[in-house]
Amino acid sequence: NAGVTQTPKFRVLKTGQSMTLLCAQDMNHEYMYWYRQDPGMGLRLIHYSVGEGTTAKGEVPDGYNVSRLKKQNFLLGLESAAPSQTSVYFCASSYSLLREAPPHEQFFGPGTRLTVL
Amino acid sequence: AQKITQTQPGMFVQEKEAVTLDCTYDTSDQSYGLFWYKQPSSGEMIFLIYQGSYDEQNATEGRYSLNFQKARKSANLVISASQLGDSAMYFCAMREGRTNFGNEKLTFGTGTRLTIIP
Repeated sequence: NAGVTQTPKFRVLKTGQSMTLLCAQDMNHEYMYWYRQDPGMGLRLIHYSVGEGTTAKGEVPDGYNVSRLKKQNFLLGLESAAPSQTSVYFCASSYSLLREAPPHEQFFGPGTRLTVL
Repeated sequence: AQKITQTQPGMFVQEKEAVTLDCTYDTSDQSYGLFWYKQPSSGEMIFLIYQGSYDEQNATEGRYSLNFQKARKSANLVISASQLGDSAMYFCAMREGRTNFGNEKLTFGTGTRLTIIP
């Protein structure tokens, strides 16, 4: 099993450009998440999904959009990148809270380092 | 108010000593879960240990244990016999509420950078 994979690993954008980050998981998890990690701020949730076709906003959703057309994939889009979106982006996935016993830990991908100039 | 507070930005510990990483949390829910994750310099997030709010015993996983003090709302991670490979960032996180929609999210603290000295 590959677990959670993220594409690309690194990316440099100019202000105003758009891009899509792809997350894929092969563990048949229902839930998927996108976080950003900035120095001194821990991980902050951007958007998440509890199933195919459903998404919800997290703590810092502005400037991002997501889609989950297939259960195994979760896409994060930046329509018009800004320097404030320079960060490391992590995708994670977990089993449904209704399906399995605790802990329902989240499994993380390796991260994408994004720089917006 | 911060939901998860980690007051130690950095710690230095001698190899083979035990180390305690502090975590306090704030919630009004009776049912919640507490997690610790490790992030080595390579960047990946590794799940270490979990404590449920109704668990009567402190969680243990190998050299990791969780010192859960519910009344004080603290969930400190204890690493026994530290090793050089324990050098990493450590994050405390909380999931609030029961298994209802909207309670799938984790809230993370800002982390503690642990450095093990040979």
